Amino acid sequence: NAGVMQNPRHLVRRRGQEARLRCSPMKGHSHVYWYRQLPEEGLKFMVYLQKENIIDESGMPKERFSAEFPKEGPSILRIQQVVRGDSAAYFCASSPRAGPDEKLFFGSGTQLSVL
Amino acid sequence: GENVEQHPSTLSVQEGDSAVIKCTYSDSASNYFPWYKQELGKGPQLIIDIRSNVGEKKDQRIAVTLNKTAKHFSLHITETQPEDSAVYFCAALGKAGTALIFGKGTTLSVSS
Repeated sequence: NAGVMQNPRHLVRRRGQEARLRCSPMKGHSHVYWYRQLPEEGLKFMVYLQKENIIDESGMPKERFSAEFPKEGPSILRIQQVVRGDSAAYFCASSPRAGPDEKLFFGSGTQLSVL
Repeated sequence: GENVEQHPSTLSVQEGDSAVIKCTYSDSASNYFPWYKQELGKGPQLIIDIRSNVGEKKDQRIAVTLNKTAKHFSLHITETQPEDSAVYFCAALGKAGTALIFGKGTTLSVSS
């Protein structure tokens, strides 16, 4: 059973471009969480999705950021018009059941660098 | 919202010594407290968790204690080994109960 797959591992964008980060949860998992990690800042919650639904987006910036988890295919975190402050590691985690009090399985992350 | 404070930010120990990492949380309604270990270049991995109905939980060399009155919980690693070197994160369930709120992490270095 493959783990949580994130791609790309590294993504370089120039200011103003769009960044698309993909996350394929573990097989059988229908709950996906996105976290952002800055150096010495820990993991910051961004959004929690179930298939075709956003459950909690309280950690998402109001502008330029969006997330989806379609019925088919991976979850996508989209950042429009990237700025240098968006540079960070973005982690996706999945779980088989509702609520994060179940074990979360994390991917290896996407390191976004904005030039 | 929930706030989780973690100390120390860095911890260096000799192989065989014990290591203790402490966290405090702000939301008295939190009832789930996991610990994650992150190795270089990898995503965090759950190593142990505790729920509010117990005060202590052990798994081989790792133990977690919870003091709900004081709103703090701790990770204890005994007989540390070089492969324990990593960043450790504590977390608590946020106010909405839908997402984990993480501490800023502790970088543990075990020297042989």
